Amino acid sequence: DAKTTQPPSMDCAEGRAANLPCNHSTISGNEYVYWYRQIHSQGPQYIIHGLKNNETNEMASLIITEDRKSSTLILPHATLRDTAVYYCIAGPGGATNKLIFGTGTLLAVQP
Amino acid sequence: DAGVIQSPRHEVTEMGQEVTLRCKPISGHDYLFWYRQTMMRGLELLIYFNNNVPIDDSGMPEDRFSAKMPNASFSTLKIQPSEPRDSAVYFCASTRFGEAFFGQGTRLTVV
Repeated sequence: DAKTTQPPSMDCAEGRAANLPCNHSTISGNEYVYWYRQIHSQGPQYIIHGLKNNETNEMASLIITEDRKSSTLILPHATLRDTAVYYCIAGPGGATNKLIFGTGTLLAVQP
Repeated sequence: DAGVIQSPRHEVTEMGQEVTLRCKPISGHDYLFWYRQTMMRGLELLIYFNNNVPIDDSGMPEDRFSAKMPNASFSTLKIQPSEPRDSAVYFCASTRFGEAFFGQGTRLTVV
């Protein structure tokens, strides 16, 4: 699985968009980019994943660069409840993805 | 569906005792994962199963740890004998198409 690099922490004002970057320069052609988050004391929660096209769901948008070496998770209107550790994972698609977690980005949404 | 169910939520045991953690995956999911989370090491994948068969147990720290999945609706992670350094939160997750669903975890404290 490709290694991913994320900033250790970020701040965002409540109501503003939170843009979380992830670098995955060694990603291979068949590897997807997955995003999960973990709110304190809870199990990780799936957010979104993509291969090369941008993706959007009710939680977030995922923007993947054309060369697929980096991506950005966008929370369009961050709330205090979005304060969590966000993990970017690169791995094979489907259920065979073992989901190897790195250290993630601690997003602190400020009132 | 009630999601992935883990029991117990909290376990306090004395060093040397046997500990059994339990997990009920989401019905229809054919992959099951066990993770351990500590402050020092983050989220570590211990073992995962496909259709009740262990596929990769390379993350199991030592022979004191064992995991079984006797049927599609139940898995156990056993530590025998337990040691203080096993204190952690243990998560179980299940997936079918790549989006993993995590349980709420079992917080294990070995004194």
